[in-house]
Amino acid sequence: QTVVTQEPSFSVSPGGTVTLTCGLSSGSVSSNYYPSWYQQTPGQAPRSLIYNTNTRSSGVPDRFSGSILGNKAALTITGAQADDESDYYCALFMYRDNWVFGGGTKLTVL
Amino acid sequence: QVQLVESGGGVVQPGGSLRLSCAASGFTFNAKGMQWVRQAPGKGLEWVAFIRSDGSSQSYADTVKGRFRISRDNSRNTLYLQMSSLRAEDTAAYFCARDGRDHAFDNWGQGALVTVSS
Repeated sequence: QTVVTQEPSFSVSPGGTVTLTCGLSSGSVSSNYYPSWYQQTPGQAPRSLIYNTNTRSSGVPDRFSGSILGNKAALTITGAQADDESDYYCALFMYRDNWVFGGGTKLTVL
Repeated sequence: QVQLVESGGGVVQPGGSLRLSCAASGFTFNAKGMQWVRQAPGKGLEWVAFIRSDGSSQSYADTVKGRFRISRDNSRNTLYLQMSSLRAEDTAAYFCARDGRDHAFDNWGQGALVTVSS
């Protein structure tokens, strides 16, 4: 069974930079998995941030960026703001039209 | 603008059935694959099912395979999720989402809550 791993929680200071990662329990994440990233605040639907590793979705500020770092996908927030405090999820596209989400990272800005 | 509106959620007994609907507008529905994603209370997102734009192919998470069926009516711009043999662990908010570019979930509905309880 494929498990997608994310840090359960992370903290960043306002104006700071944070990198969240998305890995696989066995193997490496590459662009072949079309990693995507989503932001969700409590009680709200998720919002698409990044798709295909590093392409920002429409309307997403450029302080959000995606990449592959080593054997993981990564989401970097540069110049964090208070309203970036959210849960962040990555998703990987697997074979035969299957997807797997990571467990999510709760980001605190303080 | 793209709008996805889920309906049909509610309380159902274990072993029961329920059908969710997702009304789509603001885009050419029959040109896009569609997804269901769920989120148990206090938990993370879980991909549930996918259907291609013309309905010709479907895929499911192992946790729902054989119990849930995804379908669509392109004449009504509506996506469905027929859920049967429901279990307590199926309790969740169910989101429909549009399959966007490069296998991403680019637009989401607000979700429909399903509670499986006796």
